[in-house]
Amino acid sequence: AQSVTQLDSQVPVFEEAPVELRCNYSSSVSVYLFWYVQYPNQGLQLLLKYLSGSTLVKGINGFEAEFNKSQTSFHLRKPSVHISDTAEYFCAVSGAGSYQLTFGKGTKLSVIP
Amino acid sequence: GAGVSQSPRYKVAKRGQDVALRCDPISGHVSLFWYQQALGQGPEFLTYFQNEAQLDKSGLPSDRFFAERPEGSVSTLKIQRTQQEDSAVYLCASSSTGYEQYFGPGTRLTVT
Repeated sequence: AQSVTQLDSQVPVFEEAPVELRCNYSSSVSVYLFWYVQYPNQGLQLLLKYLSGSTLVKGINGFEAEFNKSQTSFHLRKPSVHISDTAEYFCAVSGAGSYQLTFGKGTKLSVIP
Repeated sequence: GAGVSQSPRYKVAKRGQDVALRCDPISGHVSLFWYQQALGQGPEFLTYFQNEAQLDKSGLPSDRFFAERPEGSVSTLKIQRTQQEDSAVYLCASSSTGYEQYFGPGTRLTVT
């Protein structure tokens, strides 16, 4: 069974500072990896995805993530955060042949003015 | 274009009542998923449809939960004899590929 660990439940960061949200997964098979963002009282919005190819993936709103197979990680980064990035971020994984997503527990990013 | 829509957005049910939650996927998306998100948790998979066929229902927590998609578009998640532990946000997602899933705003169910 797959599992996803988001190591930080809350991350406060000052506006215009860089941020990294950590995600590790557990799977013995090929995986597809995703980051979603959830604003209050809204559904999940896809930020970026890794399906194959380049391990550095760029997404919307200036976010990027790097797939590291040896460390089973898919950390999310942004070089300079804005107030509007305040939200909860979820890392998710699905395996080859299975479409269901397994999510981490989420990381709440708070951007401080 | 229009995204995934869900109705109602909020539902309050008394324990023991039956509820029906509706999902309208993105037009043309053959895959449809239901997830349950408890407070402070990540979403958890409930069930998956490809067109009208329910291919995976391994995440449904009990036989009180039932989902259907009779014409391969709109889907309904039905919960019979609701219990307090059913209180959660129910999210619907659709996909053209299966892997890249687009979520609706969710239905917040509160069982009193």
